This record gives sequence, C-alpha cells and structure tokens, in this order.
Amino acid sequence: EPEVTQTPSHQVTQMGQEVILRCVPISNHLYFYWYRQILGQKVEFLVSFYNNEISEKSEIFDDQFSVERPDGSNFTLKIRSTKLEDSAMYFCASSEGTWAYEQYFGPGTRLTVT
Amino acid sequence: QKEVEQNSGPLSVPEGAIASLNCTYSDRGSQSFFWYRQYSGKSPELIMFIYSNGDKEDGRFTAQLNKASQYVSLLIRDSQPSDSATYLCAVNPSGYGGSQGNLIFGKGTKLSVKP
Repeated sequence: EPEVTQTPSHQVTQMGQEVILRCVPISNHLYFYWYRQILGQKVEFLVSFYNNEISEKSEIFDDQFSVERPDGSNFTLKIRSTKLEDSAMYFCASSEGTWAYEQYFGPGTRLTVT
Repeated sequence: QKEVEQNSGPLSVPEGAIASLNCTYSDRGSQSFFWYRQYSGKSPELIMFIYSNGDKEDGRFTAQLNKASQYVSLLIRDSQPSDSATYLCAVNPSGYGGSQGNLIFGKGTKLSVKP
C-alpha cells in the first residue's frame, strides 16, 4: 500500500541553525501539506502546496519557513533559523484532491532544537 | 476563529463494548470531516472520512455527520484493547484555505479499552 515517507525520523539541531525536513508524498497525489504537533498539543496546519506553489499558509508559517518540491518526488520544509519553540513533530501529508479527498500522513520528523 | 472541540477523555470502555467519540465544530460552512487515530509518539492514521449528512460505515467504525447541529461522531463497535489511542477529529473549513484542503484538528479524545 502506498504511503507517505519522511526523513529523518529525528533531527537535533542548535538554535539558529537551518534544517531541512524531507517528505516523499504518495506518487499519484497532487496536494501536499505540512503540519506540526508540539508535544501534548493539537496538530496544527502550516502550509499547503499544489502545482509547485504555496496554496495556503497559516500564521505559524512565517518568513523563516519555506517549502519546495525540488524534483518529481520530494517535498521539503526548510526552517532557516531554528528557535527553541520550533521543537515539535513535523508531519507531511498528501492527497489526490482537496476537501473531498482523504489526506494521508507520513510518520513524522521529531525536531529538537537545543 | 474556527474551532474543533472534543472531550479530552480519557474515555474508558470494556472490551467488546461500543465506544462513542464526539466532535463539534464552529464553522458552519465546513466541508469535510475526518477521524484519525494517533498512538503515542506516532503520526495520525486516517480511519474515516465523511462529507455528507448521515452515517458512513467501514468495518467496526461508523462516522455520523449532522451539519445542522455542527456535530460529527465516531462509533467503534466491538472495541479491542488495540483500539486504545487518541482519536483526532479534523475538519476541512470553508473559505479559500479549506478549498485547498488544509485541516483544523481538535485536541483529541483518549480512548482506553480495558480487557
């Protein structure tokens, strides 16, 4: 069964460093998303991406965040200068379409900023 | 502010019983509704997806949607200890952001199924 994959599973970085989180969405899916979940809190939407551009972004997704689809399979989230409060699980998700389609999540990357 | 509300639990049911999980949402124009299961330290796993009023059944799971009451529920029949997890309700809101598929999540209800 196709699934969303993410690497790395755990990333430890120092405050102020840049990190890139990688995702491979399900191959026939066209819509891609990043969410995050701070420990003990709810899952929060960050950004949606379609046709090689950002469709929608939340207030959390400020100028330190960027997304890219560098090739036909990968989808990346870059955090330019990490802060302690960026420590969270970051989930990539994908779907065939928008509101009328299932959205499948990857296993997540645990980001720890020290 | 578009909100999704769930009782945090824990909801404890005996093995073999029906577990009933509830969710309300504030955005009357919300379009589609998802139930995810999340084990501790893991990612959300899609269980059910519904966008029409009424019931939708898949195996032991039934999702119920009432748009007039802004209420969605998940029933788990013949509950098993392996069903013990946090159940997340997610809503696709109205408006441009919602049309692009982004989801608003509730905090989740922790379910414990006792053998």
